[in-house]
Amino acid sequence: DGGITQSPKYLFRKEGQNVTLSCEQNLNHDAMYWYRQDPGQGLRLIYYSQIVNDFQKGDIAEGYSVSREKKESFPLTVTSAQKNPTAFYLCASSARTGGDYGYTFGSGTRLTVV
Amino acid sequence: KNQVEQSPQSLIILEGKNCTLQCNYTVSPFSNLRWYKQDTGRGPVSLTIMTFSENTKSNGRYTATLDADTKQSSLHITASQLSDSASYICVVSVDMRFGAGTRLTVKP
Repeated sequence: DGGITQSPKYLFRKEGQNVTLSCEQNLNHDAMYWYRQDPGQGLRLIYYSQIVNDFQKGDIAEGYSVSREKKESFPLTVTSAQKNPTAFYLCASSARTGGDYGYTFGSGTRLTVV
Repeated sequence: KNQVEQSPQSLIILEGKNCTLQCNYTVSPFSNLRWYKQDTGRGPVSLTIMTFSENTKSNGRYTATLDADTKQSSLHITASQLSDSASYICVVSVDMRFGAGTRLTVKP
């Protein structure tokens, strides 16, 4: 079955550490996205990628980095520069960018700073 | 100011009852409006999508309406079930603007 997989489901980070969240899709989608979800707020876009080896900053890219070396994979690194990283992170993919193409979401990774 | 406002923020209803969730938006230009259901700790799943010309779209017990003139949408849930307990998120494109969601709890 085609889908999008995020791992791990839960992640704990010590202050000052970088951590990487995994996102893999086998839907043959060109576009992939990373969102952050905080209580009481809508999803906020961190980064997105329209094609391999290309990505663009979203609304809240500071303290995050991404790579898109393969079509199937779009890992997100939360760096020590991100001052408030505790949140629920969602990865999504779509056939193309733009709202006319529906999103498929992963199950999310909950990151907690300890 | 958020371009997509949802109300109420949270709602508690008894099993079997109906409810209606609201979404008001100021996003322009408009391409389509989607409603997603998000179970706790999971990713959102699409319920409906409506384009500018559509007024109503149903998906089982879920019925979404759209008034593009007033920029309002609603999601009506009929005969609620315990499994309807989730957050419901309104998303307006072209560039996928997300509302903060309505947290629905259905009690037995």
